[in-house]
Amino acid sequence: KNEVEQSPQNLTAQEGEFITINCSYSVGISALHWLQQHPGGGIVSLFMLSSGKKKHGRLIATINIQEKHSSLHITASHPRDSAVYICAARIQGGSEKLVFGKGTKLTVNP
Amino acid sequence: NAGVTQTPKFQVLKTGQSMTLQCAQDMNHEYMSWYRQDPGMGLRLIHYSVGAGITDQGEVPNGYNVSRSTTEDFPLRLLSAAPSQTSVYFCASSSGAGQWETQYFGPGTRLLVL
Repeated sequence: KNEVEQSPQNLTAQEGEFITINCSYSVGISALHWLQQHPGGGIVSLFMLSSGKKKHGRLIATINIQEKHSSLHITASHPRDSAVYICAARIQGGSEKLVFGKGTKLTVNP
Repeated sequence: NAGVTQTPKFQVLKTGQSMTLQCAQDMNHEYMSWYRQDPGMGLRLIHYSVGAGITDQGEVPNGYNVSRSTTEDFPLRLLSAAPSQTSVYFCASSSGAGQWETQYFGPGTRLLVL
């Protein structure tokens, strides 16, 4: 079992819909990252959070440390939001490392 | 700032050949990393560096070498390419105080080993 699991694997939505992508992890972490990979392959860091909630434009990321779960929400989705969204957990320990989920492919249709 | 740059964008190798994937950043970041991305798998860490002259292995280091002679550059060397090394390779650098703070990724190098 992967230390970091994402769901769903694929998600198709209509423009304007509210999107939720989930990330769960099975080990202790010090922070969780959300990344966006564009269809052309480029990867952009969206959020890094260790507690609570962060918001940037139409994107909201939340984390519940006790439940070992994080969500990425997109409000008023747009076709340009179509991308692969990746969560990565920073594993606690002497030599911390990032463990990545497999990604959620989001397609937003006009 | 150019950010993180990688060359080449695409490379085809024959089994047994060696090559170097170049990575450079102009943000004066101490921390740099190399990842590979394969279909159906998450990004996996190959090697990383916490500063010039200091490197360490990640999750999948076998078959790869790195060095960090300057803050700006972090090349990845394939010693003897194998088909299993066909992948997309991303270099990243980190801002902030910790090595796993916000990561800035390069555009990637797509490698095909025949």
